[in-house]
Order: sequence, then C-alpha cells, then structure tokens
Amino acid sequence: DAGVTQSPTHLIKTRGQQVTLRCSPISGHKSVSWYQQVLGQGPQFIFQYYEKEERGRGNFPDRFSARQFPNYSSELNVNALLLGDSALYLCASSLASSGGSYEQYFGPGTRLTVT
Amino acid sequence: AQSVTQLDSQVPVFEEAPVELRCNYSSSVSVYLFWYVQYPNQGLQLLLKYLSGSTLVKGINGFEAEFNKSQTSFHLRKPSVHISDTAEYFCAVSRYSSASKIIFGSGTRLSIRP
Repeated sequence: DAGVTQSPTHLIKTRGQQVTLRCSPISGHKSVSWYQQVLGQGPQFIFQYYEKEERGRGNFPDRFSARQFPNYSSELNVNALLLGDSALYLCASSLASSGGSYEQYFGPGTRLTVT
Repeated sequence: AQSVTQLDSQVPVFEEAPVELRCNYSSSVSVYLFWYVQYPNQGLQLLLKYLSGSTLVKGINGFEAEFNKSQTSFHLRKPSVHISDTAEYFCAVSRYSSASKIIFGSGTRLSIRP
C-alpha cells in the first residue's frame, strides 16, 4: 500500500506570493494533519482535518488555511509568504481524529523556500 | 498546555556503544508519549509509543523507552547502536482528547562514529 504522499517535493517562491501544498493520505485514513518544521527545530502543529471538518488549529496566522476533500486528500494554502515561512511542511494521516492508538503516518514533506 | 524538552541537541557515540536520549515533558493532563526518528531528507517514522500499561516500551530497530511519571521523563535507549541509527530523534506528546495534535521537542541529533 502507498504511504502518505505529498506534492510538490520542493518549491521556491518569492515573498508576497501564495502557495498550495497537497497531501494524499493512506487509503482508508480519514484524518489529515499538517505540521511546519523549520530547519533545526521540531515540527509544529498547524491544522487537523477529519471528515472534511477542521478539528484543530495551531498557533499560526490567518495567512495559513487548509481544506480536506471528499476523497480525504488535503491542501494547505499559505498567502502573502514571508521569509520565515521557509520550512519543511509535513502531512500526517491517521484512521481517526483522536485516540493515541490511531498512529499518525507522516509523508516525506514539501520543502518550501521563500526568497 | 503541554511541552517537551529534549535535554541534548547532539549526542555523539561510537558504533556498538549504548546510547540514551533524554526527554522530559510537562502536562497538567494525561498524555500519550512518542519517539519519532527522522533520517536525512525524509519524513518522520514512529519508533515507539506509550499509551498506558507497562512503563517499559519496546519499539522498532532495537530501541526502547521507559515512562517515569514521577520524573515526567520518557528517555530513549538502545544497548548497541549502528551507523544506520544516525538520524534526528524527536520526543513528542499528545493529549488523550486531541491525539492528532502532537507536540514535538526540538530534537536530538544522534551521530555514530565508527
């Protein structure tokens, strides 16, 4: 079975531009979470979606938004890019929304560079 | 709020030596505890997790961790490391009620010397 897939792998954008990152969860998984990992730091939680509804939001500005589609894939959008948005963006999927027994599986990430 | 502190940013060890990566957490509620590994230019892979029950948890690749509630620690250990264990290791917690929101530590870089 395919794991969590993310596209694109790498992306270079200019300050002020907008970017859309995509994630396909493992087949059967209904929950998708997004994390931002700045170089040298641990991942930080951005959003969680379950059954197309937002179930959690981290401490990120409104420039960050996301959505989940009927096939459970997800997009993360970032508007008005800043240099500080340069990071590895990780997507994780799990069977359900809560319960630690529902392990999260991470994708390889999208490396975003803002110049 | 929950927080995770990884006490060492880098740990160099010789091949076949034992290693311990230290992790302390802070939380006012019960949490799940995790260790993840990240190899260069890759995503995160779950090494092991503590949900409840036995405080000694065994994971993949010969790693194990011990949950110590009184010391709020969850240290990761391996009795004999290999070159292939070179990676970044992250300790993490999540609340029972929002297990999909994982709070990560800042990571420990494990480098293995031949």
